[in-house]
Amino acid sequence: GAVVSQHPSWVICKSGTSVKIECRSLDFQATTMFWYRQFPKQSLMLMATSNEGSKATYEQGVEKDKFLINHASLTLSTLTVTSAHPEDSSFYICSAKRTATDTQYFGPGTRLTVL
Amino acid sequence: SQQGEEDPQALSIQEGENATMNCSYKTSINNLQWYRQNSGRGLVHLILIRSNEREKHSGRLRVTLDTSKKSSSLLITASRAADTASYFCATDGSGNTPLVFGKGTRLSVIA
Repeated sequence: GAVVSQHPSWVICKSGTSVKIECRSLDFQATTMFWYRQFPKQSLMLMATSNEGSKATYEQGVEKDKFLINHASLTLSTLTVTSAHPEDSSFYICSAKRTATDTQYFGPGTRLTVL
Repeated sequence: SQQGEEDPQALSIQEGENATMNCSYKTSINNLQWYRQNSGRGLVHLILIRSNEREKHSGRLRVTLDTSKKSSSLLITASRAADTASYFCATDGSGNTPLVFGKGTRLSVIA
C-alpha cells in the first residue's frame, strides 16, 4: 500500500523560531499534496493545496507568508511555520493524492508545540 | 472549510452495543470516506463509498449513503473498548480536490 511519511513526528520550539515539516510519498508520485491542521478536540481543517512545481493554494484565513509551502518534487512537500507563536501549536497532517487516482493517503502527523 | 455536521458530537455506549454516527454534507460528491483517529494519533482509513453506491460493509462496519439527503451513516456493530476513538467523515470531489472533513464524533465504548 501507499505510504506517506512526515518528519518530524513532534517538535517543540521557542516562540519566534521557524519550523520545517516534511511530507514524503514513499512509494508513489504525488503531483498534489494537502496540508491540514488540527487543534485539540477539533476536526482537520485544510490549510493549503500543494502542487508540484507551482505555488500552493491557500485556504481563506491561512497566511501564505507565515506558512510557507514548497513542493519541489513529486515525492516531497515541505511546510515551514515561520516566526512560530504559541497559537500555532497544533497537529499538522499532510496527505498525498496518488496521481491519476482518487485515493488520498495521510501522513502520521506532526505535533508542534511552541513555547 | 468543513462540509457539514456529524452527529452526535459525542457518543458513549457499553461494550457489545451498536454505535451509529451520522454525517451530512453540503455539496455534490465523488465519494465519501470514513476515518478513525485515536487521541493524538494519525488517521486510519476505514471505508470509502462512492456516490453511486448506497451501502457498503467491511467487517463490523456498515456505511450507508443517501445522496438525495446528502447524508451518510456509519454503524459499528458489537462495539469493543478498542473502538474508542474519534470518527470523521470526509467528502471528496473530483480531480485534485482535497478531502473535506466533518466535525467528527467522539465515541467512547465502556467495558
